[in-house]
Amino acid sequence: GENVEQHPSTLSVQEGDSAVIKCTYSDSASNYFPWYKQELGKGPQLIIDIRSNVGEKKDQRIAVTLNKTAKHFSLHITETQPEDSAVYFCAATDGNEKLTFGTGTRLTIIP
Amino acid sequence: GAVVSQHPSRVICKSGTSVKIECRSLDFQATTMFWYRQFPKKSLMLMATSNEGSKATYEQGVEKDKFLINHASLTLSTLTVTSAHPEDSSFYICSAYPIAGTYNEQFFGPGTRLTVL
Repeated sequence: GENVEQHPSTLSVQEGDSAVIKCTYSDSASNYFPWYKQELGKGPQLIIDIRSNVGEKKDQRIAVTLNKTAKHFSLHITETQPEDSAVYFCAATDGNEKLTFGTGTRLTIIP
Repeated sequence: GAVVSQHPSRVICKSGTSVKIECRSLDFQATTMFWYRQFPKKSLMLMATSNEGSKATYEQGVEKDKFLINHASLTLSTLTVTSAHPEDSSFYICSAYPIAGTYNEQFFGPGTRLTVL
């Protein structure tokens, strides 16, 4: 089955700086890679996703890159703001609808 | 956007009782819903896949007789924790996969915090 590793587990950045979270996956058949933001006591919220036929996708301050050869994908948040503080999860699926989640990254934005 | 609700948001029960958690897709239909369990500061662990009109598919290690799942309609799935014990205390989250949605995109509910005394 799929295995997703996520690093770092915690990340603190100064407000206005950029944050990068990286994930690797094991199953070469995986073709959909979403990123979720989870605030305390709430369910995950999809913030961006990328499919295997695309190398990069951007949505305002958030971008995701995918390297299929190396089997890794990354989340980039620029111009970080205090409201970006949360736990971020990457996930992967091969199209069978089941998501395999990474272990999560607790991002803290320092004002 | 697609909205998934869960009820209740929090529940406290005594050991040995059963608790039912509802997951509803409010503005879309879903033949498939998923139930996850999340321990504090941990990732989401898939418990089972709920299929409308058929039996749920449970992940390895999940007791199907303890965690009863019913997907009675295209907008409602329920998870019943039977004879709950303190070790069942956790954050339970559902997600729904829209029939007419974007490939693979799932929408998550806000979660239910279960505390068993």
